[in-house]
Amino acid sequence: QSVLTQPPSASGTPGQGVTISCSGSSSNIGGDYVYWYQQLPGAAPKLLIYRDNQRPSGVPDRFSGSKSGTSASLAISGLRSEDEADYYCQAWDGSLSGWVFGGGTKVTVL
Amino acid sequence: QVQLVQSGAEVKKPGASVKVSCKASGYTFTNYAIHWVRQAPGQSLECMGWINGGDGITRYSQKFQGRVTITQDRSATTAYMELNSLRSEDTAVYYCARDWMTSGFDYWGQGTQVTVSS
Repeated sequence: QSVLTQPPSASGTPGQGVTISCSGSSSNIGGDYVYWYQQLPGAAPKLLIYRDNQRPSGVPDRFSGSKSGTSASLAISGLRSEDEADYYCQAWDGSLSGWVFGGGTKVTVL
Repeated sequence: QVQLVQSGAEVKKPGASVKVSCKASGYTFTNYAIHWVRQAPGQSLECMGWINGGDGITRYSQKFQGRVTITQDRSATTAYMELNSLRSEDTAVYYCARDWMTSGFDYWGQGTQVTVSS
């Protein structure tokens, strides 16, 4: 049972948009930044979004992050086949004094 | 270019210990922390703890406190994670990742498969 809650799956057709939610509490998302990672099959995770909505260099602007209260979202626009992966949200949890991840969302491009 | 290169796969018996290394290059080692994250088969990511490259201070997740030790050799720009009293549930891929302030875990090692089996 992950501290941060994500839907297990999401899907869309090429060119469509998909949004992944991440729900937490005041001790994590509500009190600190949210990060998002993409994990392709058999690969290490890759940082997609940091500090709620910032993209590292090299990450396409099709990926965007937002946060409101104790929930955050990752939006992918213009879905491509190479976006098929697992996506994880992450935050610092002040009550646990540690980093926590969501359970992950598998995105399928139909 | 920034690289984190981890040691190879390990197979251990229950009750044994495992030590995984993470060799960093392409950046100033002491300016960043190194985190250890594991992923059991088909499961999510789980943070185990980290070490600050500058002062060597470590912090461990409550779940692993007492069973994990994270160290570093600054001269070799290498971080280590040792996990003791292994059990079958510790079978997972173990990753190291770099972090600076609130910039996220921006570079990751390739992962090390640790299998615990009698």
